[in-house]
Amino acid sequence: KAGVTQTPRYLIKTRGQQVTLSCSPISGHRSVSWYQQTPGQGLQFLFEYFSETQRNKGNFPGRFSGRQFSNSRSEMNVSTLELGDSALYLCASSLAENIQETQYFGPGTRLLVL
Amino acid sequence: AQTVTQSQPEMSVQEAETVTLSCTYDTSESDYYLFWYKQPPSRQMILVIRQEAYKQQNATENRFSVNFQKAAKSFSLKISDSQLGDAAMYFCAYRSAWGQGGSEKLVFGKGMKLTVNP
Repeated sequence: KAGVTQTPRYLIKTRGQQVTLSCSPISGHRSVSWYQQTPGQGLQFLFEYFSETQRNKGNFPGRFSGRQFSNSRSEMNVSTLELGDSALYLCASSLAENIQETQYFGPGTRLLVL
Repeated sequence: AQTVTQSQPEMSVQEAETVTLSCTYDTSESDYYLFWYKQPPSRQMILVIRQEAYKQQNATENRFSVNFQKAAKSFSLKISDSQLGDAAMYFCAYRSAWGQGGSEKLVFGKGMKLTVNP
């Protein structure tokens, strides 16, 4: 079974631009979560989607948004990019059928904002 | 809010020896899950081991085992017979058993870099 895939793997943008990152979960998985990883702040939770509904959100500004499609694929969007948005963005998926599910991570998208 | 602390930013171990990574956490919940994830240079987060808080028995996965002390809120990872491939960042993570709306949000520690010397 294929793992979690994320596209693109690398991205360079300039300040003020916007960016969309994509995450395809493991087949059959219905929950997708997003995390931002930076050297200074470590791994921080962005948001989580289940059955096309956001069921939890981290403490990030409104410039960060996401959505989930009916096939469970998820996208996150960052508008008006700032230098501090440079990070590795990880998504994770799980079956979400019971509370004992494990999350599996994708390889990440590395975003550099110049 | 829950917090996870990994106080040692770096450790090193000789190949074939044993090393223990420490993690403490703070929570007022009684039911939760704890995880150790490994992140090699490829940046892929890989689940190493998980522990359910309601289980008194410590989890074990091959060369990896944990020492879960619920009262002390401590969750250490022991790697036996260390191998070169074990070199990576290791993250301790916490997850509520009954998160908001069924949320599976993970709270991570800052991580610890493990070096394995041949």
